[in-house]
Amino acid sequence: KAGVTQTPRYLIKTRGQQVTLSCSPISGHRSVSWYQQTPGQGLQFLFEYFSETQRNKGNFPGRFSGRQFSNSRSEMNVSTLELGDSALYLCASRESGGYTFGSGTRLTVV
Amino acid sequence: GIQVEQSPPDLILQEGANSTLRCNFSDSVNNLQWFHQNPWGQLINLFYIPSGTKQNGRLSATTVATERYSLLYISSSQTTDSGVYFCAVNWGSQGNLIFGKGTKLSVKP
Repeated sequence: KAGVTQTPRYLIKTRGQQVTLSCSPISGHRSVSWYQQTPGQGLQFLFEYFSETQRNKGNFPGRFSGRQFSNSRSEMNVSTLELGDSALYLCASRESGGYTFGSGTRLTVV
Repeated sequence: GIQVEQSPPDLILQEGANSTLRCNFSDSVNNLQWFHQNPWGQLINLFYIPSGTKQNGRLSATTVATERYSLLYISSSQTTDSGVYFCAVNWGSQGNLIFGKGTKLSVKP
């Protein structure tokens, strides 16, 4: 079974730009959740999608958004990038039991 | 919300030594996982262990849900065990994992 696939692995963007990250869950998994990891704040929950519906949302500004498609693939978008958005963004999928994480997308905002 | 505390924050071991990492959580949970984050950032799932004891090779974990703690045991440590170990919990059916700050393990040859 293929794991959770995140693309791209690395990204460099300029302040003010927007970015879209992609996550393909394990086949058959309907839940996809996103996390941000920074040295200062650690791992923080962004949002979770289940069967194309946002089921839960963390405490992040509205610049952070996401969606899920009918094939369970998910995208997250960050608009008007700020330097503080530089982070490792991790996606996880789950059907029942534990969560499986992808390799992450490392975003650098300059 | 639920608080997750991990100890110790840092641990340096000589290769071959054993270690115990601890995770305390402040409320009832129905999911607890231990992860190892490798140098490239990927979170590798070690154990899904909301209660009880599991073993996988040199690693084992125990969660005592009634006392709100979990332990991760690493025996005969190897340099490849180096990295950060995270404990994460959630409750209910929604995907809102709460992570501890991690234990950074360094295994010296």
